[in-house]
Amino acid sequence: AQTVTQSQPEMSVQEAETVTLSCTYDTSENNYYLFWYKQPPSRQMILVIRQEAYKQQNATENRFSVNFQKAAKSFSLKISDSQLGDTAMYFCAFISGATNKLIFGTGTLLAVQP
Amino acid sequence: EAGVTQSPTHLIKTRGQQATLRCSPISGHTSVYWYQQALGLGLQFLLWYDEGEERNRGNFPPRFSGRQFPNYSSELNVNALELEDSALYLCASSSRVRADTQYFGPGTRLTVL
Repeated sequence: AQTVTQSQPEMSVQEAETVTLSCTYDTSENNYYLFWYKQPPSRQMILVIRQEAYKQQNATENRFSVNFQKAAKSFSLKISDSQLGDTAMYFCAFISGATNKLIFGTGTLLAVQP
Repeated sequence: EAGVTQSPTHLIKTRGQQATLRCSPISGHTSVYWYQQALGLGLQFLLWYDEGEERNRGNFPPRFSGRQFPNYSSELNVNALELEDSALYLCASSSRVRADTQYFGPGTRLTVL
């Protein structure tokens, strides 16, 4: 079975500092994609970053970057220069082409403190 | 470009009634997905529609059903509502070119009394 695990239920960071959210996953497939989504209190699920499993290069989107370790099945998200607007629940998610369904972790609630 | 839209924002029903939730995908997207986000259960995949056909279904009873229309919009129907159906229902869409990436709507909050 494919699973996604986020072991940090809550995290806190000071504005302008850097924080890393952890995610591990389990799958026997070779072709898959990994994502980080954020869900602020407004509840809209917003795509933060996407990683293709066959690409060794880590994805980056402005202040957001990932550390993708395929052998370890690890996919962490680094947020640099944290801003108050980054306060949200962050979900790690996995998808394979076979089913097209996203499998989500339980989420990490990130609070950015002024 | 407009994102995924969902209606209504909130829906209150009583046990045993039926609920209908609607979703319009991003223009050009052909696939629509439905997810349930219930307290304590996390985000769970419900249904995937593509080109008007149901392509995949999550572990939900048959009283959860839906359809996709020729304009690619979609409806989720929940019959014989139970208290535990209270949740945020999220719709997402994806394109043929990048089928792996789903973009979400703002959700419909369903409350069953």
